[in-house]
Amino acid sequence: GDSVTQMEGPVTLSEEAFLTINCTYTATGYPSLFWYVQYPGEGLQLLLKATKADDKGSNKGFEATYRKETTSFHLEKGSVQVSDSAVYFCALTSDSNYQLIWGAGTKLIIKP
Amino acid sequence: DTAVSQTPKYLVTQMGNDKSIKCEQNLGHDTMYWYKQDSKKFLKIMFSYNNKELIINETVPNRFSPKSPDKAHLNLHINSLELGDSAVYFCASSQGGPSSNYGYTFGSGTRLTVV
Repeated sequence: GDSVTQMEGPVTLSEEAFLTINCTYTATGYPSLFWYVQYPGEGLQLLLKATKADDKGSNKGFEATYRKETTSFHLEKGSVQVSDSAVYFCALTSDSNYQLIWGAGTKLIIKP
Repeated sequence: DTAVSQTPKYLVTQMGNDKSIKCEQNLGHDTMYWYKQDSKKFLKIMFSYNNKELIINETVPNRFSPKSPDKAHLNLHINSLELGDSAVYFCASSQGGPSSNYGYTFGSGTRLTVV
């Protein structure tokens, strides 16, 4: 079945560092890909998405590009802030799975 | 004007009790969900309703029973609470069903602690 694999956390960076959180997927058909963020004590929020190959999703300085050839959707940000500390989830939907398939989440810690 | 609101935010109760969590969305979405998030942040879908019809019913104990009186509300009733039920429960909604390209909108969660 379809699946999503994220890099294990926690990922610890200093403020203003470059961020990459890796996400790869396995899916039949043509999935849509998502990144969600969960700040401490809050619910999940949709951060960005891409619905077809080579699309780039972006929001709040974060970007991710849908790479069909490498089945990846890595999350990047050029300069992280302490306020970016959160858990980040990669997810997909596809025609073959009648639900949202989640990665395990990656905890990001940004130190001042 | 919260989009998806859950109550209560915190719930502490004794083993064996029965409790309910309520969820309401004002987005006009036609699909709603209950998720369970464990202490390692792993998300597990429990139930989904589309226009008051149950469409996802994952393997959860039958002590958990969802109820959707209308498409804007999805409640979760839990009988005979056990220690292992302690978790954060999230309600969510989407437009267009579980495979929606629009993404889901989540409530802020209900932290259930069974003692």
